[in-house]
Amino acid sequence: GAGVSQSPRYKVAKRGQDVALRCDPISGHVSLFWYQQALGQGPEFLTYFQNEAQLDKSGLPSDRFFAERPEGSVSTLKIQRTQQEDSAVYLCASSSRQGYGYTFGSGTRLTVV
Amino acid sequence: TQLLEQSPQFLSIQEGENLTVYCNSSSVFSSLQWYRQEPGEGPVLLVTVVTGGEVKKLKRLTFQFGDARKDSSLHITAAQPGDTGLYLCAGASTDKLIFGTGTRLQVFP
Repeated sequence: GAGVSQSPRYKVAKRGQDVALRCDPISGHVSLFWYQQALGQGPEFLTYFQNEAQLDKSGLPSDRFFAERPEGSVSTLKIQRTQQEDSAVYLCASSSRQGYGYTFGSGTRLTVV
Repeated sequence: TQLLEQSPQFLSIQEGENLTVYCNSSSVFSSLQWYRQEPGEGPVLLVTVVTGGEVKKLKRLTFQFGDARKDSSLHITAAQPGDTGLYLCAGASTDKLIFGTGTRLQVFP
């Protein structure tokens, strides 16, 4: 597609529920990133893929967070047993070349109640 | 931990005024990018600066990368209401971007 597509746009989860957030990057972009953004703050790095390889997951806040990109294109960020502090916007970005500009999706706003 | 501090955090100005946003770090970055984000959307890339001391202009926006590649500034001339948004600087570090704390700009007509 022409841009990075994320779904769903909005997700309300009850505390303890598992959620899965999807990211469709720009076709051909080898690098894919997940960020978490609190209201009014800058995005914080979660994890990074180059093709299907997860090269950096140092930003994942706990072992409840898991990301995959099995075929090197679509990626899924899964959060198990959601907690209120997981409420945030989750942004996905892709890039054709390391260190160059990212194209971001519109994000998924997760609210845990 | 690499931190990028932006100042000011908030800025409310009248249309036609000039402003400067600063992005500072104690770390050296191979490149630095500026993004603008509007509510409900992801950040959109404005510019990438790579060379220490580099200045880039994008219409009324002027971006500068510090000589030591640790800091950057964004200057907007004659701000317009359409400039309203969250401005983010981001430093390239190895395999990822580290984002700044953000500057929320509101321009009133």
